[in-house]
Amino acid sequence: EAAVTQSPRNKVTVTGGNVTLSCRQTNSHNYMYWYRQDTGHGLRLIHYSYGAGNLQIGDVPDGYKATRTTQEDFFLLLELASPSQTSLYFCASSARTGRAETLYFGSGTRLTVL
Amino acid sequence: GQQVQQSPASLVLQEGENAELQCNFSTSLNSMQWFYQRPEGSLVSLFYNPSGTKQSGRLTSTTVIKERRSSLHISSSQITDSGTYLCAMEQGGRALIFGTGTTVSVSP
Repeated sequence: EAAVTQSPRNKVTVTGGNVTLSCRQTNSHNYMYWYRQDTGHGLRLIHYSYGAGNLQIGDVPDGYKATRTTQEDFFLLLELASPSQTSLYFCASSARTGRAETLYFGSGTRLTVL
Repeated sequence: GQQVQQSPASLVLQEGENAELQCNFSTSLNSMQWFYQRPEGSLVSLFYNPSGTKQSGRLTSTTVIKERRSSLHISSSQITDSGTYLCAMEQGGRALIFGTGTTVSVSP
């Protein structure tokens, strides 16, 4: 079973604050993703990456940066946090072999921006 | 607009009842998947189902790609089935696009 670990589990910051969410996967998957989950919107893709140093823009990228430093580590950065970024954030990874892409999710980070 | 529509938005069941969850897609897709989100928030994959019918225990997924729809059938529901069921579509090699989910609550 693939392991995806997110930290922190919970984070509270103020408007304009700097936040970094961390994600590590231990199964050498190529693809890693950051999603946010909000009531009424489901899971929406922020950024994703297919390898170290690579970054692809998702569907809701505004206000977010991301960096894939190694095969294992993918970070989401909020440099000037706003209350609209209060959400539940999920990291996921996948091997993306052929057409079947099983996502393995982390436990989520609940971010509150006051 | 939303590319992945799920219905109903929520469902309340008595233990032992069956249920059918629907997923409809507004655009063409290569395949789709079903995920389960536990009440405490963690997500797990249930089915990768590009077409046809797949069964796992009391869960059955049926996908008709050319009609852009998929369903998830829960038979003999149990309290432990409570949670949110999400479908997601794969489109041309991009990352998965998720629906908003169906929240299922099973009571004794």
